[in-house]
Amino acid sequence: EVQLVESGGGLVKPGGSLRLSCAASGFPFSTYTLNWIRQAPGKGLEWVSSISSSGSDIYYADSVKGRFTISRDNTKNSLFLQLNSLRAEDTAVYYCARLGTYFYGSGRPDQYFDNWGQGTLVTVSS
Amino acid sequence: DIEMTQSPSSLSASVGDRVTITCRASQNINTYLNWYQQMPGKAPKLLIYAASNVQRGVPSRFSGSGSGTDFTLSISNLQPEDFAIYFCQQSYNAPLYTFGQGTKLEI
Repeated sequence: EVQLVESGGGLVKPGGSLRLSCAASGFPFSTYTLNWIRQAPGKGLEWVSSISSSGSDIYYADSVKGRFTISRDNTKNSLFLQLNSLRAEDTAVYYCARLGTYFYGSGRPDQYFDNWGQGTLVTVSS
Repeated sequence: DIEMTQSPSSLSASVGDRVTITCRASQNINTYLNWYQQMPGKAPKLLIYAASNVQRGVPSRFSGSGSGTDFTLSISNLQPEDFAIYFCQQSYNAPLYTFGQGTKLEI
């Protein structure tokens, strides 16, 4: 059974930092692209960052670029998100999510989030 | 960025009803469209991928259709556990994925 378990959330002051972790099990971790997706209280979903299976390809949403850093440790089946220079608008539940792919036969595949963790709440407030 | 707009934002229905939720993309996204269900306090769950493919384990009363800019999620014979929030998501502009704002399905 695929399991993704986030940790590291909490209350932090504006300008502060936090490091989120996601422990994975039940699948070949080193072969999957992983993502962080967040959801502000009562709001919709926002993709935050993506890291390829080897860690060589990394992408960020414009809203977090330069402040957040995604990384992974394939020897420990773990995904991380370092959050720096936090702002009130970063308050959200942060989910780690595995990327699945569907190949049409030609062209690029559809990509979707086929497994999610339970989320960890980050609250930025003075 | 590709903007995804869902309608309606909320929807009232009864057990046994059939409902349809619409998702519109701001540009042509072919069939790079996925649907998720989120129960209160829970993580989203994948329902439909590539516009019309039902994820393993998802009941057959869920179906998806569409291509280009207009997509629909249909739920037939509504069950009590179907009352949730539904989100669409595009992967045409991967890895800059975007979601719709959500549709709350309530009794």
